[in-house]
Amino acid sequence: GQQVMQIPQYQHVQEGEDFTTYCNSSTTLSNIQWYKQRPGGHPVFLIQLVKSGEVKKQKRLTFQFGEAKKNSSLHITATQTTDVGTYFCAMDSNYQLIWGAGTKLIIKP
Amino acid sequence: EPEVTQTPSHQVTQMGQEVILRCVPISNHLYFYWYRQILGQKVEFLVSFYNNEISEKSEIFDDQFSVERPDGSNFTLKIRSTKLEDSAMYFCASSEELRNEKLFFGSGTQLSVL
Repeated sequence: GQQVMQIPQYQHVQEGEDFTTYCNSSTTLSNIQWYKQRPGGHPVFLIQLVKSGEVKKQKRLTFQFGEAKKNSSLHITATQTTDVGTYFCAMDSNYQLIWGAGTKLIIKP
Repeated sequence: EPEVTQTPSHQVTQMGQEVILRCVPISNHLYFYWYRQILGQKVEFLVSFYNNEISEKSEIFDDQFSVERPDGSNFTLKIRSTKLEDSAMYFCASSEELRNEKLFFGSGTQLSVL
């Protein structure tokens, strides 16, 4: 079945450093969504990207959809402790959402 | 802000027992879903529900699973004979108008099968 590969699995950063997670699909996507899950919490919808090459920003978060609509990234500038959690991409495939494995953002003490 | 509510937050059961997980989706939402997540790992799709019937289900959603919307507000997931491997966090979600877009998740039910 269709899969989306998400890397890295973990990213340890100092507070104030940047964070990036990437999702790749072998097939062209109609759209891609991003969710955040805080530790012990539930997934929360962040954004949906639909257009080829689309770039959307939410404060310090920048979301990109590749030109070929096969990859996407989420970049956080100057991480804060409130950014801690796992970030998931999710793609619509065969009428169900297929989720990436998630990238866990860990702030070093 | 409206939210999806799930009860109970924790459920402990013996292997072979039946469990019912309950959800109240957001009232004006049309699509409902059940997902599960094992120990903070990948979120796995179980089933989607629209217009009082299942619209899609995954391979995980076998004959041991069923969903129901018994009234205008509740949406339930039943596992008939639980197995150890059913232990997971079960999330209910709903979306307003379009299937698989902008899902709102409940806080989940942590199911432990002993």
